[in-house]
Amino acid sequence: DAKTTQPTSMDCAEGRAANLPCNHSTISGNEYVYWYRQIHSQGPQYIIHGLKNNETNEMASLIITEDRKSSTLILPHATLRDTAVYYCIVRSYGGATNKLIFGTGTLLAVQP
Amino acid sequence: GAVVSQHPSRVICKSGTSVKIECRSLDFQATTMFWYRQFPKQSLMLMATSNEGSKATYEQGVEKDKFLINHASLTLSTLTVTSAHPEDSSFYICSARTGTHPFFGQGTRLTVV
Repeated sequence: DAKTTQPTSMDCAEGRAANLPCNHSTISGNEYVYWYRQIHSQGPQYIIHGLKNNETNEMASLIITEDRKSSTLILPHATLRDTAVYYCIVRSYGGATNKLIFGTGTLLAVQP
Repeated sequence: GAVVSQHPSRVICKSGTSVKIECRSLDFQATTMFWYRQFPKQSLMLMATSNEGSKATYEQGVEKDKFLINHASLTLSTLTVTSAHPEDSSFYICSARTGTHPFFGQGTRLTVV
C-alpha cells in the first residue's frame, strides 16, 4: 500500500473550517484514500473514503486532486470535540487482507 | 454503523501473568479481524491478522508465542498476552471490516505492574 505524508499538527479556531492535507504521491490506480480519527484513549473512528471523486458525508468532505497524488479532508465547522489525531491511509479496496497501516497522522487542536 | 466491542476496557495485571482481551463484532460476522498496539504518543502498529478457523498471521517482529490469537467464531477474536511484563503495557485495539471499511473497538488499556 502507498505511503502517506501529513503535517504533524494543526490548529483551527472553533466554528471555522479545518482543512487537513495529505500527500500520497505513490498511490496506485486501485487504491482508495481513507480518513480516520482518534480521540484520546479511544479506538479510531471512520470518517470518509474516496477513490477519485470528491466525497461528502455528515462528518466531512474529501477533496482528491485530479492526479490523485494528494487530498484534503475538510471539517466544515470545527468544534472542540473534533480535537483528535487524523489519519490519512491509502489502501486497496477489498485487498487480500483488508488491513489498514497507520502513519503518524495530524494532531488537530481546535481552539475556543 | 457497525459495532466492534472490546473487553475489558482496562486491565491491570501482575508481571508474569497472562491476560486475555476479547474483540467482538456485535452486528456482523467477521472472518478476519486485526489487532493493533499503540504506545503513548505513537501511532497504531499492526500486530497480527486474525483469521476465523485458521492460524493468525503475525507482522514482522511480533512474537506469536507471546501474543496468542484465537478466532474461534465469526464474531469473536481473542488476544492473550502471555507472561506479561511491564514493557507489554500498552493500548491494544482490534478492528473488523464490514461493508466498505474497517471498524475499530474502543481499545483495551493494559498495565503490567
